[in-house]
Amino acid sequence: DTEVTQTPKHLVMGMTNKKSLKCEQHMGHRAMYWYKQKAKKPPELMFVYSYEKLSINESVPSRFSPECPNSSLLNLHLHALQPEDSALYLCASSQDRWLAGAEQYFGPGTRLTVT
Amino acid sequence: GNSVTQMEGPVTLSEEAFLTINCTYTATGYPSLFWYVQYPGEGLQLLLKATKADDKGSNKGFEATYRKETTSFHLEKGSVQVSDSAVYFCALRGTYKYIFGTGTRLKVLA
Repeated sequence: DTEVTQTPKHLVMGMTNKKSLKCEQHMGHRAMYWYKQKAKKPPELMFVYSYEKLSINESVPSRFSPECPNSSLLNLHLHALQPEDSALYLCASSQDRWLAGAEQYFGPGTRLTVT
Repeated sequence: GNSVTQMEGPVTLSEEAFLTINCTYTATGYPSLFWYVQYPGEGLQLLLKATKADDKGSNKGFEATYRKETTSFHLEKGSVQVSDSAVYFCALRGTYKYIFGTGTRLKVLA
């Protein structure tokens, strides 16, 4: 099974709402990633978790809060977002953050619209 | 720093035409190289990869060869189909993260 699942598929939220995105993989991968992708652009790295610990934060605003409850799950908590945060949020996993040649497996993404 | 440069799109081809999408990279050391494909409304799917110089990655009729001397990893397919219409991203694995090119949109006409 090489699947990464993400829920929800679509999310519309107001600027005062709190919501969460969920990502799950059962490949035994120990590295998990959050990316943000705007239309017609490549994915931009937000966070990397390695062995359930936050390894990289690419200077993401604090209104985005990641969480890795266990090795299979990755959440992204959203609070007080801005309209410019509307984008496709992609989760990915790889076998190990440090393993040369390890490819990433991506989920289908959550399409987020902030109103 | 590490970077990936892809040819500008969109690329429009007729069915059964030959495809080349150029990708060059700048990196220290010997990074692993990847091609990902993204269909409309979906996430990225790994298409192929190469982990060392002269390696050829191949999948579903697509091929790319890791050329260290020209720092290139061009994607090719001998005969494209309408179903190949998508955005293609070249990527490298840098020191601590993956670096993506800007993507090349391919449109194949029947």
